[in-house]
Amino acid sequence: ETGVTQTPRHLVMGMTNKKSLKCEQHLGHNAMYWYKQSAKKPLELMFVYNFKEQTENNSVPSRFSPECPNSSHLFLHLHTLQPEDSALYLCASSQEQRAEYEQYFGPGTRLTVT
Amino acid sequence: KNQVEQSPQSLIILEGKNCTLQCNYTVSPFSNLRWYKQDTGRGPVSLTIMTFSENTKSNGRYTATLDADTKQSSLHITASQLSDSASYICVVSEVFGNEKLTFGTGTRLTIIP
Repeated sequence: ETGVTQTPRHLVMGMTNKKSLKCEQHLGHNAMYWYKQSAKKPLELMFVYNFKEQTENNSVPSRFSPECPNSSHLFLHLHTLQPEDSALYLCASSQEQRAEYEQYFGPGTRLTVT
Repeated sequence: KNQVEQSPQSLIILEGKNCTLQCNYTVSPFSNLRWYKQDTGRGPVSLTIMTFSENTKSNGRYTATLDADTKQSSLHITASQLSDSASYICVVSEVFGNEKLTFGTGTRLTIIP
């Protein structure tokens, strides 16, 4: 276990649904990240929060909405998704958002949009 | 544009054999390079991290090398085990204020008995 948990592990939703992904880290880290992993493509950084402030939004469509209520929790709110949004969504955390600090990943949520 | 290219895309070897995975990058200025192991349906787990001044680092049967001049890295796996079947991802960090990571697409390694 890496100290980063994600729920749910699997999610199937229709294009008109609203759902949320949850990430929790038990490592005392101050930076948290959302990544999208699609088949045969590199991990794509979506959002970064450093000390609860959003520091990165990597041109993500507005149908994805992040929320970071505290340093330990990160949410990704989903609404009116498209089938191409089906992917593995990974959460990660690090001590701070700096190059020398390692990122620890959660197990991911496998999302299928029908 | 910063890029990280890994080869081969996939590899199948017999249990007990050694193998080497390659990573070439164009990221500049360079901060560090990491190798991650990702089991199917799981998140990546760090194997090694190297700065530009380090040219080799080991973690058990995994040995990573780095040539910062040619911008190449390799991951050597010794005496492979069935549990080594996974994707191996090379990640290069750029020094640019906050951390910027560039991910490779990974090498899918399958160990057969």
